[in-house]
Amino acid sequence: DAGVIQSPRHEVTEMGQEVTLRCKPISGHDYLFWYRQTMMRGLELLIYFNNNVPIDDSGMPEDRFSAKMPNASFSTLKIQPSEPRDSAVYFCASSPMRGADTQYFGPGTRLTVL
Amino acid sequence: AQSVAQPEDQVNVAEGNPLTVKCTYSVSGNPYLFWYVQYPNRGLQFLLKYITGDNLVKGSYGFEAEFNKSQTSFHLKKPSALVSDSALYFCAVRDIGSSNTGKLIFGQGTTLQVKP
Repeated sequence: DAGVIQSPRHEVTEMGQEVTLRCKPISGHDYLFWYRQTMMRGLELLIYFNNNVPIDDSGMPEDRFSAKMPNASFSTLKIQPSEPRDSAVYFCASSPMRGADTQYFGPGTRLTVL
Repeated sequence: AQSVAQPEDQVNVAEGNPLTVKCTYSVSGNPYLFWYVQYPNRGLQFLLKYITGDNLVKGSYGFEAEFNKSQTSFHLKKPSALVSDSALYFCAVRDIGSSNTGKLIFGQGTTLQVKP
C-alpha cells in the first residue's frame, strides 16, 4: 500500500491567496484526520471525518479554514484567504474502523504564507 | 477531560545507553495509550500502543513501554539507544469521552538526541 498521500509537499503563497491541500487516505480506512504542526503550538487536530462525514471540527481555527471529504478516497483542506500565521506543516492521517486508534500519517504539506 | 503530558522537552543520551522518554496521562476511565515517532521532515509513525493486558508493550525498532496504572504513566524505553533513534516522540491517549472514538489527544512531544 502506498500509505497516506498528500499534495503538494511544499506550498509557498502570498497573503490573501487561496490554498488547497489534498489528501488521499489509505484504501479501506474509515477515519480521516487533518492536523497542523508548528513550533509554538505543537500538533493540533483541526478536524476529522468518519465515513466521509465531519465529526469534530472544533479545532478549525477560523472560518477561513474549511475541509471536505467528497468520497472515501479524497479530502481537501482549504484556507481562504491565507495569512502568514497559517504557515505550518499540515498532516493528514487515516485510520481503519477496526482498531480505530492507530492512525497512519502522511508526509505532510509544508505551507509558507508570505 | 483526557490529557497527556510529556514533562521533558528534550532527552539526551549516549549511544548504547538505555533511554527513557516519559509520559503521564489523565483519563476518566481505562486509557488507551500510544507512542508515535517523527523523524525530520516526515509524518508521525506509530510505534506501539497499550489497550489492555500485559503492562509491558513491545513495539517497533526495539522500543517498549510500560503501563503503570498507579502512577498514571506510560514511559517509552529502549535498552540500548542508537544514533538513528534521534527524533521527536509523541505520547497520545484515546479520547473515550467523545461520542466517536477515533480521536487521539497528543502530548507536546519530546526530542530525543542520541550522541555517538
